[in-house]
Amino acid sequence: KQEVTQIPAALSVPEGENLVLNCSFTDSAIYNLQWFRQDPGKGLTSLLLIQSSQREQTSGRLNASLDKSSGRSTLYIAASQPGDSATYLCAGGSNYKLTFGKGTLLTVNP
Amino acid sequence: DGGITQSPKYLFRKEGQNVTLSCEQNLNHDAMYWYRQDPGQGLRLIYYSQIVNDFQKGDIAEGYSVSREKKESFPLTVTSAQKNPTAFYLCASTREGVGSHEQFFGPGTRLTVL
Repeated sequence: KQEVTQIPAALSVPEGENLVLNCSFTDSAIYNLQWFRQDPGKGLTSLLLIQSSQREQTSGRLNASLDKSSGRSTLYIAASQPGDSATYLCAGGSNYKLTFGKGTLLTVNP
Repeated sequence: DGGITQSPKYLFRKEGQNVTLSCEQNLNHDAMYWYRQDPGQGLRLIYYSQIVNDFQKGDIAEGYSVSREKKESFPLTVTSAQKNPTAFYLCASTREGVGSHEQFFGPGTRLTVL
């Protein structure tokens, strides 16, 4: 059974700092890894999707990597802004579904 | 604009009542999902559907029921058999089959049992 773990559970940084969020998964047979953002009381917004044949994806200030052999993915956020404050969730896709981590609560302080 | 809509945004239920949460998508996606989110926990899969008139149980299906009569609609009924229904419910969809592509989410419905 796939298990997804996110570390740290919470992170507070000053504005402008580069940061890394970590995600680990137990089943290396995943066929994609998806990163989401969730604002309080809202649905999930898809940030990046990495297919199993890919090693990374980039969108603006975000870069996500995938290492299936080690069971890890990272989300790199460059030059963080207060508007980046949210919960970030990763999810590993296998068979018919995504398995989610519990998320990292990011606070970017002005 | 294409997307997923969920209604209502807030729902209050008395104990012993069944309630139905609506999920509609105009993305022409084949697969649709229902998740439940509780504080401090990750999303948990309730039901999913790959095609019209077909659906499968997820990890926590007890006390819930669904239907998929139309491609764009996947309503979830929370029955009185669900002992702890207070939670945030999220609907999602993907194109071209279950789980193989990017999942998109609706804005959610917050259900509270009075």
